[in-house]
This record gives sequence, C-alpha cells and structure tokens, in this order.
Amino acid sequence: GQNIDQPTEMTATEGAIVQINCTYQTSGFNGLFWYQQHAGEAPTFLSYNVLDGLEEKGRFSSFLSRSKGYSYLLLKELQMKDSASYLCAVTGGSYIPTFGRGTSLIVHP
Amino acid sequence: DTAVSQTPKYLVTQMGNDKSIKCEQNLGHDTMYWYKQDSKKFLKIMFSYNNKELIINETVPNRFSPKSPDKAHLNLHINSLELGDSAVYFCASSQRVGNSPLHFGNGTRLTVT
Repeated sequence: GQNIDQPTEMTATEGAIVQINCTYQTSGFNGLFWYQQHAGEAPTFLSYNVLDGLEEKGRFSSFLSRSKGYSYLLLKELQMKDSASYLCAVTGGSYIPTFGRGTSLIVHP
Repeated sequence: DTAVSQTPKYLVTQMGNDKSIKCEQNLGHDTMYWYKQDSKKFLKIMFSYNNKELIINETVPNRFSPKSPDKAHLNLHINSLELGDSAVYFCASSQRVGNSPLHFGNGTRLTVT
C-alpha cells in the first residue's frame, strides 16, 4: 500500500516564500506529482519529479529525495491567488497516482 | 477546445435511484480515471482504464460500474444510490500510465438526499 502525509493547513504572507512538505511510503516508485486545486475547481498539474533534486518552474519549485521518501513544493513571491489546496500524488508500483489529503494554503495580505 | 469534459456538473437525486456521469477527452490520451473527492477534499482513485481496458478497480461497491466504449470515453453508472455516495466525482486522463500528469474534468457534484 501507499501512505502519503502532508500538513493539513498552512498560512503565509503575500510576497513571502512557503514550503509545503510531503512524505511518502510506497511499494515501488514511479514519480511524484504536485497539483493545485482552487476551491470549487478541478486540480491542475504543477510539477513532476522522478529523479532526486530540484525542478524549477517560475515561482514554483519541487524537490525530491527518493531515499528519504520526501518531497517539498516551494512557492516564492506569494500572491493572493496562490491561496488553494496543494496535493501531493505518488505513482507507485501500480502506476496509478495516489493522492495525499492536500495542504490548504491561506495567503494573507 | 482540447479538454476533459464531464457531464452533468451537478446531480441531485434521491436514495435508491440510478444515475450516470459521462466523461470524454479529446487529448488523444490512452488512460482515463475516475476519482472521488469527499467532503474533506481527499481524492481517492476508483477506476482506471488504459486503451479501454480496466487496469485498476479499487475497493468500490459493485453498485459503481464504469464503461469505456472507446479510449476517449469513460462513463460511470451508479445503481441504488446511497447517502454516502454524495461527493464530487472527477474524471481525468493522462497520456499514458505512470509518469504522465493527470488532466482533470471540472467535476460532478453528486448530492444524494
């Protein structure tokens, strides 16, 4: 089976940097995804990591350590529109993405 | 527009009824999925099809029956609806199984009264 943990809620200030952590235990590993979901909307893809290291994409970066079963999503220069849920999803031996319970990020002025 | 589209967006029905949700993708993807998102926003896989073939069927009551007439469509039929079936159901597709990101439909909010 798979177990994915991420904090339930985080708050941050506009313009700041926030790091959302995700730890996982899985049988087999075929990649880790981060998705953003605004209230009442569908999740949208942010990033994908399959090798160790940092992937940077504009204001968002994602890091993976396979040996530690650990990833984080880093959001820089936070904007009010970044208030959303951030979902960590792991693809294990079944090749089907399994989601964590999501981290609700609240950005305040 | 290239997208994953599902209908209806809202579905309100009574216990015991049978209902269907339709999903279509025009992205040319091989793999399609149904996820259920509960009131606590937890997204749980229900089914996955690859090129019309069922590859994942998680522990879902057999009142739920997926149908994939071709690789662009994956419909979900639910028999004898129960209160606990109330949730948002998301259809998604990916180019292939495993390392491709999911593209989600806009969701169907099912309310069973």
